[in-house]
Amino acid sequence: GAVVSQHPSRVICKSGTSVKIECRSLDFQATTMFWYRQFPKQSLMLMATSNEGSKATYEQGVEKDKFLINHASLTLSTLTVTSAHPEDSSFYICSATPDRGQRGYTFGSGTRLTVV
Amino acid sequence: QKEVEQNSGPLSVPEGAIASLNCTYSDRGSQSFFWYRQYSGKSPELIMFIYSNGDKEDGRFTAQLNKASQYVSLLIRDSQPSDSATYLCAVREGGGADGLTFGKGTHLIIQP
Repeated sequence: GAVVSQHPSRVICKSGTSVKIECRSLDFQATTMFWYRQFPKQSLMLMATSNEGSKATYEQGVEKDKFLINHASLTLSTLTVTSAHPEDSSFYICSATPDRGQRGYTFGSGTRLTVV
Repeated sequence: QKEVEQNSGPLSVPEGAIASLNCTYSDRGSQSFFWYRQYSGKSPELIMFIYSNGDKEDGRFTAQLNKASQYVSLLIRDSQPSDSATYLCAVREGGGADGLTFGKGTHLIIQP
């Protein structure tokens, strides 16, 4: 159980365009989902907490107008990188839990974003 | 600023031996601790979680927590080449559904 699906797995886009990444909990409902970013040779950094039916909570230093998060249902959260630039190229990973994290968090397979 | 520190390695261990991975954290209010394994280019997968001081065993893996010393470790017994990966220590401050603070990870190499 506790499967999290993330799409697309890989995307290449031109500078200035927007990219949408989807994160779905397949076998459980998730009122909260998390978005992380991982640069090469670095660890995962929490970007924001996505809350179903309300605004996302962003970590310090993360631009909320650039990284738009929508959590419209109990099984789907989306991250839109707006006006992407090469420095936004990274590995974006979502995470969710069916039990408020009591038994850990399940991660999606990640999205490798390359902005050219 | 919450910090989670790990030795980046690489840590090289012969096959069949015990691999010992260590992690320290700065926030004394941290309550939950997780070990994840991450293969290159893949997302993390949960190995173990621990909430109470002491040891917790699951198969070949043992997690150890010492809150007084702000220290958590992971032991891997009978190490296999397939255990070669980066091991990430993660900490959660509260008991609710909060996000995790990750260390940079330790690159473990199991030598056949």
